[in-house]
Amino acid sequence: NAGVTQTPKFQVLKTGQSMTLQCAQDMNHNSMYWYRQDPGMGLRLIYYSASEGTTDKGEVPNGYNVSRLNKREFSLRLESAAPSQTSVYFCASQPPGGSNQPQHFGDGTRLSIL
Amino acid sequence: GENVEQHPSTLSVQEGDSAVIKCTYSDSASNYFPWYKQELGKRPQLIIDIRSNVGEKKDQRIAVTLNKTAKHFSLHITETQPEDSAVYFCAASIGNNFNKFYFGSGTKLNVKP
Repeated sequence: NAGVTQTPKFQVLKTGQSMTLQCAQDMNHNSMYWYRQDPGMGLRLIYYSASEGTTDKGEVPNGYNVSRLNKREFSLRLESAAPSQTSVYFCASQPPGGSNQPQHFGDGTRLSIL
Repeated sequence: GENVEQHPSTLSVQEGDSAVIKCTYSDSASNYFPWYKQELGKRPQLIIDIRSNVGEKKDQRIAVTLNKTAKHFSLHITETQPEDSAVYFCAASIGNNFNKFYFGSGTKLNVKP
């Protein structure tokens, strides 16, 4: 039981390049989330998927797209990377069975855009 | 949407002292309040949570209090140890079938030996 797995762990891109961040969970969770973490700003929600087949925008969706490929996998895509997207990206999932359950986080992807 | 404010941004205490971190939220519909600890370069990890039908919850040296009327909740760490040094995040969430989480900006706690 690996929990939430993110790949890659580190990535350096040039401005304008595209990239997909991968996230998979093996806990049979329904809801999955993508956050970015910048110094002094906590975790900000980019996109979320309440259940398989649905995705919705969070607080800071501009410049990103997502795909909920199946119940296990939720990917985040940067179509044309910009230096402002340099950040640490965390994927999280939440157990089924109603609300008020804690999220489980992956180890993060550290992304630098030059 | 929900707005969560967290104070202080940094907190330095002597080993053995208590530490208190406070958060306020804006949406009275928020019904679940987790606290996360994040060590440098690591993932956030849940340390304690509280639901809106409870006023206080304790787990060994850690406690959380919730005042729904005033819309604030606090994390209390007693008998602090150097390994408590980390960044702590509060969150408020709203949800019926799933939760949408809003995080505070974090508190960097430094416990001096």
